[in-house]
This record gives sequence, C-alpha cells and structure tokens, in this order.
Amino acid sequence: DTGVSQDPRHKITKRGQNVTFRCDPISEHNRLYWYRQTLGQGPEFLTYFQNEAQLEKSRLLSDRFSAERPKGSFSTLEIQRTEQGDSAMYLCASSLREMTYGYTFGSGTRLTVV
Amino acid sequence: AQRVTQPEKLLSVFKGAPVELKCNYSYSGSPELFWYVQYSRQRLQLLLRHISRESIKGFTADLNKGETSFHLKKPFAQEEDSAMYYCALSGGDYKLSFGAGTTVTVRA
Repeated sequence: DTGVSQDPRHKITKRGQNVTFRCDPISEHNRLYWYRQTLGQGPEFLTYFQNEAQLEKSRLLSDRFSAERPKGSFSTLEIQRTEQGDSAMYLCASSLREMTYGYTFGSGTRLTVV
Repeated sequence: AQRVTQPEKLLSVFKGAPVELKCNYSYSGSPELFWYVQYSRQRLQLLLRHISRESIKGFTADLNKGETSFHLKKPFAQEEDSAMYYCALSGGDYKLSFGAGTTVTVRA
C-alpha cells in the first residue's frame, strides 16, 4: 500500500461533458474525503465518507456533483455537465477515525474544462 | 464557523536565517491545528500537529489560544524548506479548514 492513489492525474474535458475521478485510500483508513483546490487557495471541503456512508456534503457541491464509495473501499467523484468554473485540482484524502493524526492526501486530479 | 488566515502569500528568506509563517484562526471551541507542506511536484503532506508538540525537520509551532495563533517557526532555514505551507484547523470532527497558503522561498 503506497498511500492514497488518484486517477487520472490530469483531465481535460469540453464544457458540458461528464467526468469521473477515482480515489483509492489507504486500506486501513475508514474515512475518505474529497477536497477541491483552486489557484491561490487552500483546499476546500467537498464531501466525506465513513466506510461506505456519505455523511456530509458541502454546499459548494452542486447537484451536478456526486460521490460514491461502494463497499467502503475506493471512491468516485462524478461531475455532470461540466462548467469552466469546475476547473480545479480535486484532492482525495483518507484518515483513521481519530482526527488528531491528520489526513493522508493523494496527488490529486487536475481538471481543466475548455 | 471556523476560519484560518495566513496573512503572507509569499515569504522569502536567506539560507540560515530564521523563518516564521503566521497562522491565525477563528473557532469558538478547542481546535486541533496542523501544518501541511507541499514541495514542488509532490503531494500535500502533514508536517506537524499541535497536539503532538513535536519538531519535524527543525520546524515547531505553538498553539497560542489567547492570540488564536499557530505560527510555524524554524531557526535556520534550508534551501530544501522552499515549499508551499498550509495551516489547517479541525473542530475535532472530520473536516479540515485550510488557510490560503504561504509560499516560502529560501535563497542561497
């Protein structure tokens, strides 16, 4: 287990297309998070899973965004009908239940909507 | 509501000089504070957390609840410290609130 893996690393898509990103967390981590980072800003929380349950979804996430974590393992983040404003780095992170240990982040998926 | 402010976007220091990155937070309860670092072409990684009171790579950070600050310090900067640094806060749940980050450049 080499850490949190995200795929793809880069995605260029035309406006209006759907895209899906995948995240594989550290296997013993039961918590998985998605964050979004735009230029010049720190990461912003999007959504969180504990095992397979999606427990919170940020108001930043419009109805075009959906995330799943079937069987509590990998997770997918789908964006439907992409808009230019969706261009950002999408970060996945995982952690143990105890927050005091912080997160382990993946390398991110950079989305460019043209 | 929780908020993290990093007032400096850019910080440039000479090698061997002290470096201090400022972080102020707003939170009504007892927060957990973290510093994350992102080196060029690498992923965001945890540098240190206040609860452990540890020193990593020569960096330390003290939580000052009176001033609501968690500044990161290193007495002698090295060129390999050049990176982007993010201060982050957790309200004890699962979410982290990040500051906008400070880019540190250490010049020879």
